[in-house]
Amino acid sequence: DQQVKQNSPSLSVQEGRISILNCDYTNSMFDYFLWYKKYPAEGPTFLISISSIKDKNEDGRFTVFLNKSAKHLSLHIVPSQPGDSAVYFCAASPRGSTLGRLYFGRGTQLTVWP
Amino acid sequence: NAGVTQTPKFRVLKTGQSMTLLCAQDMNHEYMYWYRQDPGMGLRLIHYSVGEGTTAKGEVPDGYNVSRLKKQNFLLGLESAAPSQTSVYFCASNGPIGLGYEQYFGPGTRLTVT
Repeated sequence: DQQVKQNSPSLSVQEGRISILNCDYTNSMFDYFLWYKKYPAEGPTFLISISSIKDKNEDGRFTVFLNKSAKHLSLHIVPSQPGDSAVYFCAASPRGSTLGRLYFGRGTQLTVWP
Repeated sequence: NAGVTQTPKFRVLKTGQSMTLLCAQDMNHEYMYWYRQDPGMGLRLIHYSVGEGTTAKGEVPDGYNVSRLKKQNFLLGLESAAPSQTSVYFCASNGPIGLGYEQYFGPGTRLTVT
């Protein structure tokens, strides 16, 4: 059973506009959330994270929003650039985990066109 | 500082053959993980290790074995390869959990079983 869900397999956005990638989770024990970016033929790279004690975290063009009551988080990229075209994975970790285990969604392919 | 490296990058096996994938990290991380990525399936955890000499099963462990004889190395073995094990395999590592849950990934091994 998929505990972290990314229901949009793909998203296409024009350069300069906002990209919004969504992620839902079912396990109420998750309290730390991460976004990874993956280019073809490379390993995923960490992008941004958020703890459940916050509802927003920003890093340059990237902002992650967390809505705990809805068990939903989103990644906003503003402005989008062609180099942002990649697969984005949402991941979550349970509260108090000492194993460092992450649960991943299936990914969303973002395409930013000029 | 090479981070996480994986050997080999590509491999083609025939059904029933065996092989070992090697993961090495130079960040002195305690935690290491093996994932497989299949189209539309995201990243699924095969096995993981929370320290030298320890291993544990993840989400999809069947058909795989692992060993962590040295802190910096995590080996993934396929004793009798099957076409269903055709996938891209990623290794990842993580430092002390208290510093965050970010995992650092290797570049991947693309395995084809015919």
